[in-house]
Amino acid sequence: SAVISQKPSRDICQRGTSLTIQCQVDSQVTMMFWYRQQPGQSLTLIATANQGSEATYESGFVIDKFPISRPNLTFSTLTVSNMSPEDSSIYLCSIPRSASGVVMGVDEQFFGPGTRLTVL
Amino acid sequence: QKEVEQNSGPLSVPEGAIASLNCTYSDRGSQSFFWYRQYSGKSPELIMSIYSNGDKEDGRFTAQLNKASQYVSLLIRDSQPSDSATYLCAVNRQGGSEKLVFGKGTKLTVNP
Repeated sequence: SAVISQKPSRDICQRGTSLTIQCQVDSQVTMMFWYRQQPGQSLTLIATANQGSEATYESGFVIDKFPISRPNLTFSTLTVSNMSPEDSSIYLCSIPRSASGVVMGVDEQFFGPGTRLTVL
Repeated sequence: QKEVEQNSGPLSVPEGAIASLNCTYSDRGSQSFFWYRQYSGKSPELIMSIYSNGDKEDGRFTAQLNKASQYVSLLIRDSQPSDSATYLCAVNRQGGSEKLVFGKGTKLTVNP
């Protein structure tokens, strides 16, 4: 299976600043997903990063707050802009496993190690 | 109704027992169902996927799916302390959508 890495692994930031999180995959993938996991909560999908087109955002998430880049098929960045303490979360990227042999349904998804963000 | 609901837990079982984790979902168009294990401070790790009604076994893990009842479960046999983690149920949205909706998770503790 693909190896997914994220940078930074953790950071502590001041409110009002921005942080860019990188997600690198060791093979080409069509779709990459960005999730947020707030303290004690489950995962919530932020957006789908598509290579060569704008990211598609889920309800409650907007491009101005979470701009995403997808310059190629192995890399994506998520920026958390104008941060507030409410943005303190773990941010995770995920990829679907291609060629998994699924006949009906969607591919399994695998997650990167995550970026733990604390906003003071 | 929440899209994906799990038994709230926490769930505590003795070592060697069977742990039973349950999940219901609201979207009848969902086709793909996943169980993830998440250790504290770590990212979710896929442990089971199931797509058809019935049981799917992998080692000590058995996933059960009943689409008519919109219910999916995970059984862990011969539970080990290393199974202590939060288990997340995830369901895809509407048929072929790759987007996953996660339940809040059930925290399992296996006591030696």
